[in-house]
Amino acid sequence: KAGVTQTPRYLIKTRGQQVTLSCSPISGHRSVSWYQQTPGQGLQFLFEYFSETQRNKGNFPGRFSGRQFSNSRSEMNVSTLELGDSALYLCASSSGDTVSEAFFGQGTRLTVV
Amino acid sequence: AQSVSQHNHHVILSEAASLELGCNYSYGGTVNLFWYVQYPGQHLQLLLKYFSGDPLVKGIKGFEAEFIKSKFSFNLRKPSVQWSDTAEYFCAVIFLEYGNKLVFGAGTILRVKS
Repeated sequence: KAGVTQTPRYLIKTRGQQVTLSCSPISGHRSVSWYQQTPGQGLQFLFEYFSETQRNKGNFPGRFSGRQFSNSRSEMNVSTLELGDSALYLCASSSGDTVSEAFFGQGTRLTVV
Repeated sequence: AQSVSQHNHHVILSEAASLELGCNYSYGGTVNLFWYVQYPGQHLQLLLKYFSGDPLVKGIKGFEAEFIKSKFSFNLRKPSVQWSDTAEYFCAVIFLEYGNKLVFGAGTILRVKS
């Protein structure tokens, strides 16, 4: 069974640009969650999508958005990039049931210069 | 607000020493509990999980954790660590009242000296 796939693995962007990250969950999983990992703030929840609907949202500004497609693949978009958006962005896949575990991808390392 | 605290940020042990990493969470409702590990250069992997039932759970690679509801704790243990256990360990909690989102502790960096 293939794991969670995130693309691209690395990105370098300039302040003010926008970026789109992609995540393909484990086959059969309907929930995709996104997390931001930084040395200062640790791992923080961005949002969760389940069956193409945003089901939960963290405390991030509206520049951070996402969507999920009918095949459960998800994209995350960050607009008007700031230096502080430099981070490892992790995608987690789960069945979405109350008792389910999340499987993480390798992450996308975003550097904003 | 829901929060998770891990007691130690850095731990250094010699091989064969016993390990206990503390984890406490801030909330008294129904929770799902997890420990994840991140080996250098690798992705987060699940060590063990607790949903309900026996509060002593066993995970991979000889790790176990005990859920003590009265103390809001979920401490991770291993009787004898190996050099290959060098990694960062994260305690994570799903507070079910707030939906399917993991709230992570700050992480504990474990270094095992050979």
